[in-house]
Amino acid sequence: GAGVSQSPSNKVTEKGKDVELRCDPISGHTALYWYRQSLGQGLEFLIYFQGNSAPDKSGLPSDRFSAERTGGSVSTLTIQRTQQEDSAVYLCASSLGSGGANEQFFGPGTRLTVL
Amino acid sequence: GQNIDQPTEMTATEGAIVQINCTYQTSGFNGLFWYQQHAGEAPTFLSYNVLDGLEEKGRFSSFLSRSKGYSYLLLKELQMKDSASYLCAWQGGGSYIPTFGRGTSLIVHP
Repeated sequence: GAGVSQSPSNKVTEKGKDVELRCDPISGHTALYWYRQSLGQGLEFLIYFQGNSAPDKSGLPSDRFSAERTGGSVSTLTIQRTQQEDSAVYLCASSLGSGGANEQFFGPGTRLTVL
Repeated sequence: GQNIDQPTEMTATEGAIVQINCTYQTSGFNGLFWYQQHAGEAPTFLSYNVLDGLEEKGRFSSFLSRSKGYSYLLLKELQMKDSASYLCAWQGGGSYIPTFGRGTSLIVHP
């Protein structure tokens, strides 16, 4: 079946503009995660959705970042007034559930470049 | 992640064995993942450990010691395609959200 998909694959924007990144998780996966990865760095957790529960936003770096997940499926990560330090690869992952051994399936990522 | 430590880079020879270590804080431990990430690609799942001991899966094995806050990934019969970054991810502190280390870049040379 289809894996996790993300769009766009690449996004170049100017400092100060808003961007929206989209994630389509694997059908039936209740948990959805957003991470970002800067060059040579590990994955930095941003936000987590599980079913109908309130999202865990503890990783969002500032109030310029927000995310929503509609209908328990597609998720959108929005970055307002982008800054150069926001440049990174933004990865989305989904898993069947949230506990224990539920492995994460990652999408190909969106490479964001802020000029 | 601030709780996880792994070497930045390792090199090894094709056909050899390599061990990639990961240390983490022990409090509130729930589980530990290993992922492989080739350059420019998404991470893919390798293993999950929640109990002490060695889990073997083909050429790859993963070991966990909860009391020592220590895990390692063992890769046998190395192949050139094993050149990648290996990410250790810890679940703990009351959460099942994996916290990733910076990853270990493994270079396999002929």
